[in-house]
Amino acid sequence: QKEVEQNSGPLSVPEGAIASLNCTYSDRGSQSFFWYRQYSGKSPELIMSIYSNGDKEDGRFTAQLNKASQYVSLLIRDSQPSDSATYLCAVNQYNFNKFYFGSGTKLNVKP
Amino acid sequence: GAVVSQHPSRVICKSGTSVKIECRSLDFQATTMFWYRQFPKQSLMLMATSNEGSKATYEQGVEKDKFLINHASLTLSTLTVTSAHPEDSSFYICSAQPPGLAGDNEQFFGPGTRLTVL
Repeated sequence: QKEVEQNSGPLSVPEGAIASLNCTYSDRGSQSFFWYRQYSGKSPELIMSIYSNGDKEDGRFTAQLNKASQYVSLLIRDSQPSDSATYLCAVNQYNFNKFYFGSGTKLNVKP
Repeated sequence: GAVVSQHPSRVICKSGTSVKIECRSLDFQATTMFWYRQFPKQSLMLMATSNEGSKATYEQGVEKDKFLINHASLTLSTLTVTSAHPEDSSFYICSAQPPGLAGDNEQFFGPGTRLTVL
Protein backbone atom coordinates (compact mmCIF):
# COMPACT_ATOMS: atom_id res chain seq x y z
CA GLN A 1 0.00 0.00 0.00
CA LYS A 2 1.37 3.34 -1.01
CA GLU A 3 1.87 5.84 1.75
CA VAL A 4 0.56 8.78 -0.25
CA GLU A 5 -1.75 8.50 -3.23
CA GLN A 6 -2.61 11.01 -5.89
CA ASN A 7 -4.45 10.80 -9.18
CA SER A 8 -1.77 11.12 -11.84
CA GLY A 9 -4.02 13.08 -14.18
CA PRO A 10 -3.64 14.98 -16.33
CA LEU A 11 -6.23 17.31 -14.91
CA SER A 12 -7.26 19.85 -17.52
CA VAL A 13 -9.05 23.06 -16.55
CA PRO A 14 -9.74 26.23 -18.52
CA GLU A 15 -8.02 29.44 -17.57
CA GLY A 16 -9.83 31.19 -14.75
CA ALA A 17 -11.42 28.03 -13.39
CA ILE A 18 -10.82 26.36 -10.04
CA ALA A 19 -8.45 23.40 -10.07
CA SER A 20 -8.96 20.82 -7.35
CA LEU A 21 -6.14 18.43 -6.49
CA ASN A 22 -6.58 15.58 -4.06
CA CYS A 23 -4.32 13.40 -1.95
CA THR A 24 -4.91 10.58 0.50
CA TYR A 25 -2.45 9.11 2.95
CA SER A 26 -2.31 5.88 4.88
CA ASP A 27 -0.52 6.67 8.14
CA ARG A 28 -2.80 8.17 10.77
CA GLY A 29 0.28 9.31 12.67
CA SER A 30 1.13 11.79 9.94
CA GLN A 31 1.29 15.29 11.27
CA SER A 32 2.48 17.64 8.57
CA PHE A 33 1.23 17.99 5.04
CA PHE A 34 2.72 19.86 2.14
CA TRP A 35 1.92 20.73 -1.43
CA TYR A 36 4.76 21.24 -3.89
CA ARG A 37 4.70 22.39 -7.48
CA GLN A 38 7.22 20.94 -9.90
CA TYR A 39 7.79 22.22 -13.40
CA SER A 40 9.29 19.82 -15.89
CA GLY A 41 13.03 19.45 -15.37
CA LYS A 42 13.00 21.54 -12.19
CA SER A 43 13.01 20.71 -8.51
CA PRO A 44 9.86 21.04 -6.39
CA GLU A 45 8.91 24.35 -4.85
CA LEU A 46 6.76 24.64 -1.75
CA ILE A 47 3.30 26.08 -2.22
CA MET A 48 1.53 25.36 1.06
CA SER A 49 1.98 23.58 4.34
CA ILE A 50 -0.88 22.60 6.60
CA TYR A 51 -0.87 21.01 10.03
CA SER A 52 -4.38 21.35 11.42
CA ASN A 53 -7.78 20.21 10.23
CA GLY A 54 -9.63 22.74 8.14
CA ASP A 55 -8.70 25.21 5.46
CA LYS A 56 -5.62 27.34 5.01
CA GLU A 57 -5.61 30.06 2.38
CA ASP A 58 -2.69 31.80 0.74
CA GLY A 59 -3.53 33.99 -2.21
CA ARG A 60 -5.13 31.87 -4.92
CA PHE A 61 -4.29 28.66 -3.10
CA THR A 62 -6.31 26.91 -0.41
CA ALA A 63 -5.18 23.74 1.31
CA GLN A 64 -7.75 21.59 3.06
CA LEU A 65 -6.96 18.90 5.61
CA ASN A 66 -9.25 16.24 7.04
CA LYS A 67 -7.30 13.95 9.31
CA ALA A 68 -10.29 11.74 10.10
CA SER A 69 -10.65 10.93 6.41
CA GLN A 70 -6.87 11.02 5.85
CA TYR A 71 -7.37 13.44 3.03
CA VAL A 72 -5.67 16.63 1.97
CA SER A 73 -6.51 18.77 -1.00
CA LEU A 74 -5.33 21.86 -2.82
CA LEU A 75 -7.62 24.31 -4.57
CA ILE A 76 -6.24 26.76 -7.08
CA ARG A 77 -8.58 29.62 -7.86
CA ASP A 78 -8.43 31.65 -11.05
CA SER A 79 -6.11 29.09 -12.63
CA GLN A 80 -3.49 30.48 -14.96
CA PRO A 81 -1.54 28.76 -17.75
CA SER A 82 1.56 29.31 -15.61
CA ASP A 83 0.02 27.00 -13.01
CA SER A 84 0.46 24.11 -15.44
CA ALA A 85 2.84 21.76 -13.64
CA THR A 86 2.92 18.59 -11.59
CA TYR A 87 1.66 19.01 -8.05
CA LEU A 88 3.18 16.79 -5.41
CA CYS A 89 1.57 16.00 -2.09
CA ALA A 90 3.99 15.22 0.74
CA VAL A 91 3.36 13.91 4.22
CA ASN A 92 5.76 14.01 7.12
CA GLN A 93 5.68 11.45 9.89
CA TYR A 94 6.59 13.18 13.12
CA ASN A 95 8.39 10.30 14.79
CA PHE A 96 10.68 9.68 11.87
CA ASN A 97 10.89 13.10 10.24
CA LYS A 98 10.61 11.46 6.86
CA PHE A 99 8.76 12.92 3.90
CA TYR A 100 6.62 10.64 1.78
CA PHE A 101 5.65 11.95 -1.62
CA GLY A 102 2.74 11.07 -3.81
CA SER A 103 3.37 10.38 -7.47
CA GLY A 104 2.01 13.78 -8.40
CA THR A 105 -0.92 15.14 -10.38
CA LYS A 106 -0.21 16.82 -13.68
CA LEU A 107 -2.29 19.96 -14.13
CA ASN A 108 -2.90 21.57 -17.52
CA VAL A 109 -4.49 25.00 -17.56
CA LYS A 110 -5.72 25.80 -21.04
CA PRO A 111 -5.79 29.43 -22.21
CA GLY B 1 15.11 33.36 2.62
CA ALA B 2 15.45 29.55 2.70
CA VAL B 3 17.65 29.21 -0.35
CA VAL B 4 19.34 25.93 -1.12
CA SER B 5 21.95 25.57 -3.83
CA GLN B 6 23.30 22.51 -5.56
CA HIS B 7 26.42 22.08 -7.59
CA PRO B 8 26.87 21.03 -10.30
CA SER B 9 23.52 21.47 -11.99
CA ARG B 10 24.41 19.02 -14.71
CA VAL B 11 27.17 16.44 -15.04
CA ILE B 12 28.06 13.90 -17.68
CA CYS B 13 30.60 11.26 -16.79
CA LYS B 14 31.98 7.98 -18.00
CA SER B 15 30.94 4.70 -16.49
CA GLY B 16 33.11 3.75 -13.53
CA THR B 17 33.94 7.26 -12.41
CA SER B 18 32.80 8.95 -9.21
CA VAL B 19 30.74 12.10 -9.06
CA LYS B 20 30.36 14.46 -6.10
CA ILE B 21 27.30 16.65 -5.70
CA GLU B 22 27.24 19.50 -3.19
CA CYS B 23 24.17 20.82 -1.42
CA ARG B 24 24.36 24.09 0.51
CA SER B 25 21.83 25.98 2.58
CA LEU B 26 22.71 29.60 1.88
CA ASP B 27 20.78 31.58 4.45
CA PHE B 28 19.95 29.15 7.24
CA GLN B 29 21.55 26.35 9.16
CA ALA B 30 20.25 22.94 8.24
CA THR B 31 20.52 20.26 10.88
CA THR B 32 18.90 17.81 8.50
CA MET B 33 19.33 17.41 4.77
CA PHE B 34 17.61 14.90 2.55
CA TRP B 35 18.78 13.37 -0.72
CA TYR B 36 16.25 12.32 -3.32
CA ARG B 37 16.43 10.72 -6.72
CA GLN B 38 13.85 11.20 -9.42
CA PHE B 39 13.60 9.17 -12.59
CA PRO B 40 11.65 10.53 -15.58
CA LYS B 41 7.91 10.79 -15.00
CA GLN B 42 8.26 9.41 -11.49
CA SER B 43 7.99 11.01 -8.10
CA LEU B 44 10.79 11.75 -5.70
CA MET B 45 12.36 8.79 -4.01
CA LEU B 46 14.06 9.46 -0.71
CA MET B 47 17.56 8.01 -0.73
CA ALA B 48 18.89 9.07 2.63
CA THR B 49 18.52 11.45 5.52
CA SER B 50 21.63 13.29 6.57
CA ASN B 51 22.09 14.84 9.99
CA GLU B 52 25.01 17.13 10.70
CA GLY B 53 27.81 15.38 12.51
CA SER B 54 26.38 11.88 12.30
CA LYS B 55 26.11 9.09 9.79
CA ALA B 56 23.40 9.27 7.17
CA THR B 57 20.36 7.05 7.40
CA TYR B 58 19.75 5.25 4.13
CA GLU B 59 16.44 4.03 2.81
CA GLN B 60 15.94 0.37 2.11
CA GLY B 61 17.48 -0.63 -1.19
CA VAL B 62 19.93 2.27 -1.35
CA GLU B 63 23.55 1.13 -1.20
CA LYS B 64 25.42 3.19 1.35
CA ASP B 65 28.80 2.20 -0.10
CA LYS B 66 27.76 3.42 -3.52
CA PHE B 67 26.08 6.64 -2.45
CA LEU B 68 28.38 8.26 0.08
CA ILE B 69 26.86 11.10 2.06
CA ASN B 70 28.79 13.55 4.19
CA HIS B 71 27.13 16.28 6.24
CA ALA B 72 30.21 17.97 7.65
CA SER B 73 28.68 21.31 8.55
CA LEU B 74 25.30 22.89 9.16
CA THR B 75 25.28 24.34 5.66
CA LEU B 76 26.86 21.66 3.51
CA SER B 77 26.07 18.08 2.61
CA THR B 78 27.67 16.12 -0.20
CA LEU B 79 26.55 13.06 -2.12
CA THR B 80 29.20 11.05 -3.94
CA VAL B 81 28.07 8.51 -6.49
CA THR B 82 30.93 6.03 -6.62
CA SER B 83 31.70 3.91 -9.66
CA ALA B 84 28.74 5.36 -11.50
CA HIS B 85 26.94 3.27 -14.11
CA PRO B 86 24.34 4.21 -16.72
CA GLU B 87 21.52 3.03 -14.45
CA ASP B 88 22.57 5.72 -11.96
CA SER B 89 21.62 8.38 -14.48
CA SER B 90 18.89 10.39 -12.81
CA PHE B 91 17.89 13.75 -11.35
CA TYR B 92 19.35 14.07 -7.86
CA ILE B 93 17.74 16.63 -5.59
CA CYS B 94 18.73 17.65 -2.10
CA SER B 95 16.62 19.44 0.42
CA ALA B 96 17.45 21.17 3.66
CA GLN B 97 15.43 21.51 6.82
CA PRO B 98 15.98 24.27 9.37
CA PRO B 99 16.28 23.25 13.01
CA GLY B 100 13.07 23.08 14.95
CA LEU B 101 10.34 20.67 15.81
CA ALA B 102 10.99 17.62 13.66
CA GLY B 103 8.04 16.69 11.53
CA ASP B 104 6.58 20.17 11.43
CA ASN B 105 9.43 21.76 9.61
CA GLU B 106 9.27 22.39 5.95
CA GLN B 107 12.06 21.29 3.68
CA PHE B 108 13.49 23.51 1.00
CA PHE B 109 14.75 21.98 -2.19
CA GLY B 110 17.88 22.66 -4.15
CA PRO B 111 17.60 23.08 -7.93
CA GLY B 112 18.74 19.52 -8.58
CA THR B 113 21.63 17.86 -10.39
CA ARG B 114 21.06 15.95 -13.58
CA LEU B 115 23.55 13.10 -13.80
CA THR B 116 24.16 11.30 -17.07
CA VAL B 117 26.49 8.31 -17.03
CA LEU B 118 27.73 7.22 -20.43
